[in-house]
Amino acid sequence: GNSVTQMEGPVTLSEEAFLTINCTYTATGYPSLFWYVQYPGEGLQLLLKATKADDKGSNKGFEATYRKETTSFHLEKGSVQVSDSAVYFCALNNQGGKLIFGQGTELSVKP
Amino acid sequence: GAGVSQTPSNKVTEKGKYVELRCDPISGHTALYWYRQSLGQGPEFLIYFQGTGAADDSGLPNDRFFAVRPEGSVSTLKIQRTERGDSAVYLCASSYNRGATGADTQYFGPGTRLTVL
Repeated sequence: GNSVTQMEGPVTLSEEAFLTINCTYTATGYPSLFWYVQYPGEGLQLLLKATKADDKGSNKGFEATYRKETTSFHLEKGSVQVSDSAVYFCALNNQGGKLIFGQGTELSVKP
Repeated sequence: GAGVSQTPSNKVTEKGKYVELRCDPISGHTALYWYRQSLGQGPEFLIYFQGTGAADDSGLPNDRFFAVRPEGSVSTLKIQRTERGDSAVYLCASSYNRGATGADTQYFGPGTRLTVL
């Protein structure tokens, strides 16, 4: 079946550090891949997405590349800010409408 | 424009009671989704509507859970004989969904926090 695995949190970084949050998936066919973010006290919002192999999604300085050969969609940012503190969810949609989420990774950025 | 709205924002009920949770999608979005999120977990799919019909209800945990979308806009998630294990945040999302390719972005509401005592 379809599933998503994320690195466990919490991840604690200092401001301006480099961020990687690992995400791998299991799916048949060619799913679309997403990163959603949940800031404290707010709802889930789309951060970025990629719909086919080798696509790179990017937004707000975050990037992720759809790697079919390693079934991965790792999230990266070159220099994190305190305002990036949130819970990040990797998800896939395998042409069936429903999103399948990972368990979430909490990021805390200290000044 | 207005995003997805959900009411109530919080609902506290007693074990065995019936509850209804409402979702107003973004205007013009044909697809509507319900998810359930337990503390410290990612959202889990419950049901997906395309227009008025349920296109996929495979995530509903049992027959105590039911959802409707009679006019293809507002949806209501109904839970009968609530149990303590039903306590969670119930999320609604909508998408334009011109085709069921899986690439459409789903826009989420703020959720309804359900607590069953």
